[in-house]
Amino acid sequence: DQQVKQNSPSLSVQEGRISILNCDYTNSMFDYFLWYKKYPAEGPTFLISISSIKDKNEDGRFTVFLNKSAKHLSLHIVPSQPGDSAVYFCAASARRETGTASKLTFGTGTRLQVTL
Amino acid sequence: ETGVTQSPTHLIKTRGQQVTLRCSSQSGHNTVSWYQQALGQGPQFIFQYYREEENGRGNFPPRFSGLQFPNYSSELNVNALELDDSALYLCASSRPNEKLFFGSGTQLSVL
Repeated sequence: DQQVKQNSPSLSVQEGRISILNCDYTNSMFDYFLWYKKYPAEGPTFLISISSIKDKNEDGRFTVFLNKSAKHLSLHIVPSQPGDSAVYFCAASARRETGTASKLTFGTGTRLQVTL
Repeated sequence: ETGVTQSPTHLIKTRGQQVTLRCSSQSGHNTVSWYQQALGQGPQFIFQYYREEENGRGNFPPRFSGLQFPNYSSELNVNALELDDSALYLCASSRPNEKLFFGSGTQLSVL
């Protein structure tokens, strides 16, 4: 039972354009959502997060949007840069239910390729 | 500030053997979590340790066990290895209820 789904295994975007990565979830107890970026031979690196009480969070070129009624979140990267090429994981936790933010449920990842 | 470090980076074992993986948490972090990432999948939560006690467990059998030491470093032990245990094992540290910082992982191959 895949509670966090990233339906696009890969995405190719031109440098300077917007990258939009999507994520859907099924567990209504999830109240905290994160995006991690992973380069080969490295561990996932935290990118940006959003609590379920918000619908948008921005950090520089990265913006995460949350649509609770649709159980959908998206990560926008503007403008995209070649260094953004990596695998992006969406993750969710049910902090209120489990009492911890450490138990994350991850999607399967989307490989982003930013071309020149 | 030292990040999360894991050892070894790669390991090859045979079915039925036992393995111990090690993790040093980032300075100031007292919570350690372990994740298993199979090929083509996202990381899956194994368990979390806080103040040397297991504090949350995912859907993994008892042959997966762990320890946390007074300096907050941690070990993951897997007994009776199976072929499906071949994966990247990731350790993450954090302060309680804050975001996770991951190490680079240990790639385990079970033959």
